[in-house]
Amino acid sequence: GAGVSQSPSNKVTEKGKDVELRCDPISGHTALYWYRQSLGQGLEFLIYFQGNSAPDKSGLPSDRFSAERTGGSVSTLTIQRTQQEDSAVYLCASSLSGGPVFDQPQHFGDGTRLSIL
Amino acid sequence: AQSVTQPDIHITVSEGASLELRCNYSYGATPYLFWYVQSPGQGLQLLLKYFSGDTLVQGIKGFEAEFKRSQSSFNLRKPSVHWSDAAEYFCAGGATNKLIFGTGTLLAVQP
Repeated sequence: GAGVSQSPSNKVTEKGKDVELRCDPISGHTALYWYRQSLGQGLEFLIYFQGNSAPDKSGLPSDRFSAERTGGSVSTLTIQRTQQEDSAVYLCASSLSGGPVFDQPQHFGDGTRLSIL
Repeated sequence: AQSVTQPDIHITVSEGASLELRCNYSYGATPYLFWYVQSPGQGLQLLLKYFSGDTLVQGIKGFEAEFKRSQSSFNLRKPSVHWSDAAEYFCAGGATNKLIFGTGTLLAVQP
């Protein structure tokens, strides 16, 4: 299909290890978002990319979290020195354009379920 | 602070019964409001959205929502629930490029 693709779908790793989560947005979508969904909580905004503009990193919870987007398409979310509280589902979304959220709806991937042992 | 609240964590309804899921928002101005549905192991699917104008908006799968400024609410409704509607429902609001999500309401449907 032509939806947002995330990989891996599940990731189990030991505390202290680094992990990389990948997101392939819908082709042609210039805006890309990362969210974290923890058990019993809503979605927490992490970071937003729009075209070639500097990303909005205001939601990243600590400096162990970083993300990049290469060539305006694929994005990688990296968590260094993972902690147990990082266990969550990480969702990626893309939209045709950025700016106000109402202009274009966000299309979500199925997420990566991250478990830190 | 901007916030979106879903007061019901879990709701159970019988198949064929009507449904209303509550959502309250706290914003300085009228936000842009959304309802998403998440089936197990999947991402979120947009059900409907409200920007301005008619306060009753229609969405997919027979859902509708009504924006009530006086109550700061944007409740989701469906007149007759189907077993396939069992899922988690998220209300979200946004004013810029970010969405603020509620904590979700898990809907169970009894046969």
